[in-house]
Amino acid sequence: GDSVTQMEGPVTLSEEAFLTINCTYTATGYPSLFWYVQYPGEGLQLLLKATKADDKGSNKGFEATYRKETTSFHLEKGSVQVSDSAVYFCALSDPGANSKLTFGKGITLSVRP
Amino acid sequence: GAGVSQSPSNKVTEKGKDVELRCDPISGHTALYWYRQSLGQGLEFLIYFQGNSAPDKSGLPSDRFSAERTGGSVSTLTIQRTQQEDSAVYLCASSLFIRDEQYFGPGTRLTVT
Repeated sequence: GDSVTQMEGPVTLSEEAFLTINCTYTATGYPSLFWYVQYPGEGLQLLLKATKADDKGSNKGFEATYRKETTSFHLEKGSVQVSDSAVYFCALSDPGANSKLTFGKGITLSVRP
Repeated sequence: GAGVSQSPSNKVTEKGKDVELRCDPISGHTALYWYRQSLGQGLEFLIYFQGNSAPDKSGLPSDRFSAERTGGSVSTLTIQRTQQEDSAVYLCASSLFIRDEQYFGPGTRLTVT
């Protein structure tokens, strides 16, 4: 079946540091890939997405590129802010499986001033 | 406009009792999903509704779990004879059509004592 593997956390960075959160996937079909974010006390929000190989999703300074050859969708940001502190989930959606989302375990990011 | 809403926001129940969780999707959204977020299992898919089609129940963990969607809008997730392992945050999401972005509600935190 489909699965998503994220790097272990938590991650603590200083403000303006570079961020990379690794995500790899296995899927039987050709999935769409997503990063969701959950800020403290809030619900899940879509951060960015990519629907086909080599697509780059971007939002709020975050980027991730759909790499089919390495089955990866790593999240990057050049300069993190305290307000980026949240839990980040990598996910895939398989159109052959009713587009239900399969999530990674999530990683907690804390950014200190 | 209004987003996905869920009620109650918190529910504490005794082991063995039945509970009902409600989801109001975004108006006009044809697809509705239930997910569960727990410490041990992370975020996992439970059930999916699309229009008048038969629901995809492949994620329901046991026959104590059931869900319905009335009139293509409001959905109710019912858990019978609750167990402590049912304690989790239950999330509802809706999308305009299958393969579209899923919008999540704030969740219902269920605690079984």
